[in-house]
Amino acid sequence: NAGVTQTPKFRILKIGQSMTLQCAQDMNHNYMYWYRQDPGMGLKLIYYSVGAGITDKGEVPNGYNVSRSTTEDFPLRLELAAPSQTSVYFCASNGQWNTEAFFGQGTRLTVV
Amino acid sequence: RKEVEQDPGPFNVPEGATVAFNCTYSNSASQSFFWYRQDCRKEPKLLMSVYSSGNEDGRFTAQLNRASQYISLLIRDSKLSDSATYLCVVPPLNAGGTSYGKLTFGQGTILTVHP
Repeated sequence: NAGVTQTPKFRILKIGQSMTLQCAQDMNHNYMYWYRQDPGMGLKLIYYSVGAGITDKGEVPNGYNVSRSTTEDFPLRLELAAPSQTSVYFCASNGQWNTEAFFGQGTRLTVV
Repeated sequence: RKEVEQDPGPFNVPEGATVAFNCTYSNSASQSFFWYRQDCRKEPKLLMSVYSSGNEDGRFTAQLNRASQYISLLIRDSKLSDSATYLCVVPPLNAGGTSYGKLTFGQGTILTVHP
């Protein structure tokens, strides 16, 4: 059972570079989320999606973009990476808004 | 007021102790409540769901206090392996009583159980 798969697991970016964090789920979940977690801090919601073609901003969307062209995939795009974006990024999904959310293993990103 | 607030702790307790933390929420119409556990540098995993007054699973009990708008997590007979961060989630509701999908987490409560 794959669940939620995130790639890559680790990445080092230089300031100003761009990259896409991949997230895929095989549970046919409608709801998908991107969070960032800074050291010693809680999860901050970046963007979320309630279905293919529908996305919306969370608490900390600046510097990021998302798309949801299929139910399975929810990539997160970083444009012009900055040191403040150094963090661990988690993708999650759930089938209904009031059910268990399943998380990927995270992507550890360092911007230098 | 934040949608969900937790006491960040840390809570340091000896093995065998009973410990409880609270999570307060702002929307009185909320119907679903969740506790997740996160180990260091790992992804959060569901510990317990609460859809009515409370839930119990072994040494873990979640209790809902609607009047004061908080949900508590009680851990009895603490084990070293209970050391983790405990996250509270209360899905926010729209005017129609369903969620608009903005799933936010509390900042987490850190628990350390020592020998």
